Amino acid sequence: KAGVTQTPRYLIKTRGQQVTLSCSPISGHRSVSWYQQTPGQGLQFLFEYFSETQRNKGNFPGRFSGRQFSNSRSEMNVSTLELGDSALYLCASSLVTGAQRTEAFFGQGTRLTVV
Amino acid sequence: GQQVMQIPQYQHVQEGEDFTTYCNSSTTLSNIQWYKQRPGGHPVFLIQLVKSGEVKKQKRLTFQFGEAKKNSSLHITATQTTDVGTYFCAGSAGNKLTFGGGTRVLVKP
Repeated sequence: KAGVTQTPRYLIKTRGQQVTLSCSPISGHRSVSWYQQTPGQGLQFLFEYFSETQRNKGNFPGRFSGRQFSNSRSEMNVSTLELGDSALYLCASSLVTGAQRTEAFFGQGTRLTVV
Repeated sequence: GQQVMQIPQYQHVQEGEDFTTYCNSSTTLSNIQWYKQRPGGHPVFLIQLVKSGEVKKQKRLTFQFGEAKKNSSLHITATQTTDVGTYFCAGSAGNKLTFGGGTRVLVKP
């Protein structure tokens, strides 16, 4: 089956601009999570969407927002970009059954550079 | 909120030696997962542990889940250059999956 697809793979934006990143999860996966990863750093959790609703949220400013569509595809938007937003943005989809979470499947990521 | 800590943050290992990375959660977990991210790549799922005291092996990798389901460890024997990367644990509780900060493994040939 097809894996998690993130587009675009690379992006260069100017400070103050906004950007939208896209994530198509594995078919049948209704949970999509977004993470920010800076060089040598761990995975900073942004938010999770499940069945079009934001279910969990990390500690990021309101400039970071997201949404999920009825086909489970998700988008992440960052407004008023800052230099510090330069990072690898990863999305992960998973199958959530009852109280158990199965493994997360990560996309290749979108590498965002803000200049 | 739930926190997952991993130690050490960095691990320099001589090729052929063994090492262990540890993962500790502030809350009891329903399961714990381990991932590996190669340099320039994305995290890839390795294994999931569900039962208290569970031990699983994958070739040279041994994963353990603590009796209290609040900690876990990954032990790698006879480290090879292919083991280079960052190893993340992720604890699942309720509907949340929380990643640890990762252990970055560097192998000296």
